[in-house]
Amino acid sequence: DIQMTQSPSSLSASVGDRVTITCQASQDISNYLNWYQQKPGKAPKLLIYDASNLETGVPSRFSGSGSGTDFTFTISSLQPEDIATYYCQQYDNLLLTWTFGQGTKVEIK
Amino acid sequence: QVQLVQSGAEVKKPGASVKVSCKASGYTFTSYGISWVRQAPGQGLEWMGWISAYNGNTNYAQKLQGRVTMTTDTSTSTAYMELRSLRSDDTAVYYCARVEGGEGYWGQGTLVTVSS
Repeated sequence: DIQMTQSPSSLSASVGDRVTITCQASQDISNYLNWYQQKPGKAPKLLIYDASNLETGVPSRFSGSGSGTDFTFTISSLQPEDIATYYCQQYDNLLLTWTFGQGTKVEIK
Repeated sequence: QVQLVQSGAEVKKPGASVKVSCKASGYTFTSYGISWVRQAPGQGLEWMGWISAYNGNTNYAQKLQGRVTMTTDTSTSTAYMELRSLRSDDTAVYYCARVEGGEGYWGQGTLVTVSS
């Protein structure tokens, strides 16, 4: 099974800061990686698909990059409404499986 | 617009079964698969499995093999997830989701509480 290692598990940053979250796959997953935002009591929201593509309607301060085993999610200028937990998720279209990272809780300093 | 609407909260005793529904609207139901994901209180997201709404093919997480069954009813555009032999650590919010081709849609979640 593919394992996804996400870090850090939590971070605290100031409004306007650049925030970076990383996700490492245990084997090559090409670009089969999504990033989600989840606010308390809500369902996850897809922000980035296929590692680097911005979902329609998602602010451009969110971005993703990477391929193979190493991926990065960035918030270029943290806003108060970005307080949430973020998850990476790999998907395997052949085996029809998903695996989530452990999540990163983002707080305002 | 695409919507996935799930059934309401459930309280079950250990050893019982629960069946959660997920009614889809706003798209051709049989054109996409449905995944199920759960989240225990204060914990991360756990993928449970996937079902093709086209032909009913399924793939379940190894951890849940033998206890979970996913089905669909194409006449009502509804997907179902049944979990049997419930334990206290099955207490979680259960989500259905359609995530494919750069589009992600999730149900609102169904809280299943397992308690004696």
